[in-house]
Amino acid sequence: ELKVEQNPLFLSMQEGKNYTIYCNYSTTSDRLYWYRQDPGKSLESLFVLLSNGAVKQEGRLMASLDTKARLSTLHITAAVHDLSATYFCAVDRSTSGTYKYIFGTGTRLKVLA
Amino acid sequence: EAGVAQSPRYKIIEKRQSVAFWCNPISGHATLYWYQQILGQGPKLLIQFQNNGVVDDSQLPKDRFSAERLKGVDSTLKIQPAKLEDSAVYLCASSSDSPLHFGNGTRLTVT
Repeated sequence: ELKVEQNPLFLSMQEGKNYTIYCNYSTTSDRLYWYRQDPGKSLESLFVLLSNGAVKQEGRLMASLDTKARLSTLHITAAVHDLSATYFCAVDRSTSGTYKYIFGTGTRLKVLA
Repeated sequence: EAGVAQSPRYKIIEKRQSVAFWCNPISGHATLYWYQQILGQGPKLLIQFQNNGVVDDSQLPKDRFSAERLKGVDSTLKIQPAKLEDSAVYLCASSSDSPLHFGNGTRLTVT
């Protein structure tokens, strides 16, 4: 059974600081995703990581993927208050010609001014 | 492009009542998903459709939940009868490959 775990579950950090969120998954998967969810809102896609060693960056967020370790990281550089949200990683696997997506538990990030 | 549309946005019902949610995916997206998101948790897949056929419904509580996707476009998810533990946000998502595109969800409160 494909399982996805994130840590930490909660993260409170000061503006301007750096931090990393970790995502581990239990078996091989095809792709890894990072989503952002603001309170009361739906999930917004941030990154899609396709292969080992993939790195993608958008603003203060950078995501990377190590398929051998079954690990992805989401690195936050010089955090700002607007980054406060819950971040989910998800992995997919092709079954019967379609993709099944499994989500992690989420990391609730709060950036303090 | 228009996003995934869901309705209603909010619903409050008493336990043992029934409720239905509606989803209209992005045009051309063959795959449609219903997820349940309980407060403080990640989305949990309930059912996955490919066109109008069910691909995966292994985590759907079939004694009370049902879903259909007529003509491979719109979908409805029904709960009958509702239990207190069904209180959650029900998210519809669609995709043509990756990533998933989510609707705004329906927040269900069962009292």
